[in-house]
Amino acid sequence: DAKTTQPPSMDCAEGRAANLPCNHSTISGNEYVYWYRQIHSQGPQYIIHGLKNNETNEMASLIITEDRKSSTLILPHATLRDTAVYYCIVIPSYGKLTFGQGTILTVHP
Amino acid sequence: DAGVIQSPRHEVTEMGQEVTLRCKLISGHNSLFWYRQTMMRGLELLIYFNNNVPIDDSGMPEDRFSAKMPNASFSTLKIQPSEPRDSAVYFCASSHRDRQETQYFGPGTRLLVL
Repeated sequence: DAKTTQPPSMDCAEGRAANLPCNHSTISGNEYVYWYRQIHSQGPQYIIHGLKNNETNEMASLIITEDRKSSTLILPHATLRDTAVYYCIVIPSYGKLTFGQGTILTVHP
Repeated sequence: DAGVIQSPRHEVTEMGQEVTLRCKLISGHNSLFWYRQTMMRGLELLIYFNNNVPIDDSGMPEDRFSAKMPNASFSTLKIQPSEPRDSAVYFCASSHRDRQETQYFGPGTRLLVL
């Protein structure tokens, strides 16, 4: 599976958009980009995934560059409850999730 | 739906004792995953099942660990005998077999082996 690179930590003001980047320059054509998050003392939570096109759901938006070598998860209006570790995972269909170190997002009042 | 249910939520035991962790899948899901999370090693996949059949147990640490799915909605992870280094948070997750990358995690069992 392709390796991902994420910043170890980011800050965001409450109410602002949080933009979390992920580099995956070795991604293969059949690999998806998945995002999960883990709030303190809870299990990981699925957020969103995509292959080529940008995706949006009730939680977030996922922007994938045209060359697919990087992506950005956008939380449009961050709240204090969005403080968590965010994991970007590149995986083929029927692959196994491998959680790296992720990005610790801290949302400030 | 109540989501994935794990029990117990906390377990404290002494070295050498048997520990059994339990997991109930989300109704309609047919894939089941057991993970372990520690500060040192992060979140690791131990084993996963499709339709009650173990598919990949390469993450199981050693023979002291065993996992079963006696039916389509329930799984157990057993550690016998337990050791202090088994102390961790154990998560189970379930998914549809055809979209097993989209997993729904339980709240975890915090295990402390003294």
